[in-house]
Parts: sequence; C-alpha cells; structure tokens
Amino acid sequence: GQQVMQIPQYQHVQEGEDFTTYCNSSTTLSNIQWYKQRPGGHPVFLIQLVKSGEVKKQKRLTFQFGEAKKNSSLHITATQTTDVGTYFCAGKGSSNTGKLIFGQGTTLQVKP
Amino acid sequence: NAGVTQTPKFQVLKTGQSMTLQCAQDMNHEYMSWYRQDPGMGLRLIHYSVGAGITDQGEVPNGYNVSRSTTEDFPLRLLSAAPSQTSVYFCASSYSPRTGGAWTDTQYFGPGTRLTVL
Repeated sequence: GQQVMQIPQYQHVQEGEDFTTYCNSSTTLSNIQWYKQRPGGHPVFLIQLVKSGEVKKQKRLTFQFGEAKKNSSLHITATQTTDVGTYFCAGKGSSNTGKLIFGQGTTLQVKP
Repeated sequence: NAGVTQTPKFQVLKTGQSMTLQCAQDMNHEYMSWYRQDPGMGLRLIHYSVGAGITDQGEVPNGYNVSRSTTEDFPLRLLSAAPSQTSVYFCASSYSPRTGGAWTDTQYFGPGTRLTVL
C-alpha cells in the first residue's frame, strides 16, 4: 500500500537557524498537504500542493512538490520559538476517497 | 460553527472493556476519518467514511468499528480494549471542492481523545 516517509524525526535548532523536513511517497500523489501540531494540540492544516514542481511560500515557510509528485519539502527560514511543534506531510493517492496517508512527522525544537 | 468536536477528552479503560469515542462535525463535510497518534508513528488512519452509510478501512482497522448513519456523526467503537490501543485518537472531517481541475481537500481535526487501557 501507499507509504509516506518523513525525515528527520527530530530536529533541534538554535533560534535564527534554518530548518527543513523532507517527505517521500512510495507512489505518485495527486496532492500533498502539510500540517503543524503544537505540543498538546491537534494537527492544523498549513498548505496543499497539487501541481508537479509547485513551490508555495507562507512568510518564512517554503513548500515544494517534486517534479515526479512523489516527494515534498518544507523549509523554514530563520526559525523562531513560535515554530516549535511537529510538522506532518500527508499524501493523497490518485483516487478521490478523502484518504490521506500521513508521514511520521518531524518534531522541531528551537532553542532561544 | 463548533467545527469538529470529540468526546470524551480523556478516558481510562480496563482491558476487555468496550467504549465508543464520539465525533461530530457541523460543517456538512462529506468525508470523516479516525486517526490514532503514537510516539514516532505519526498519524495512522483507522477508518474513514466518504459519506453517510459508507465506511472503509484504513491502515490499522483491527479492534475498531465505525458507522456513519448521519453526515454529522462518526463514532469509533472499541470492541474489547487492549493495552496496545492506548493512544491519542483524532477525528477529522474534510470536503473536496474541485479546484483547477484537481481534487483538493483539507482535514479539519478535532481536539483529540487521550485513551489509556490498563
């Protein structure tokens, strides 16, 4: 079945450093979504990428979808303590069933 | 709108007990899903539903049952609780508007239920 792998599992950075998390799918995706979960909270939708090679930005966050639509990345420039949390990618296969497969998540810790 | 609500927030069960985790949404979303979250495992799909009367299995369905009699409600039943089912359970709902020729959807998560099975 479809699998989505995400690395790294944990990342500790000094405030102001950059951070990147990577997501790889075993199958071609129709779209990929990114979510953020603050400690003790629930996942909150950040963005969705649909097109091959798509790049989207949200302030200091840059999201990319690979040309083959099998991988994606989230890059945060100049991290802040408010960026702390776990970032998940979630891939959706070609059929429209609403079924998303989540990666394991990357937990980001930012030292002030 | 309340969004997605889940009850209870916390629950402790003994092995072998049964219970139902409640999930409701007031956004008229077609799709609803149940996930469990365990350390290092991310969010794993248990069951999902694409509309009232339609359900299907996710990645880890064993030990759980679901039904979808209305658009709003999607309860998750643990038939005979086991310690391996200790986890945080999230319910989510989503819709799929067609955008630019491609299906898109966004998962709206409830606050979660923290379940401990002794």
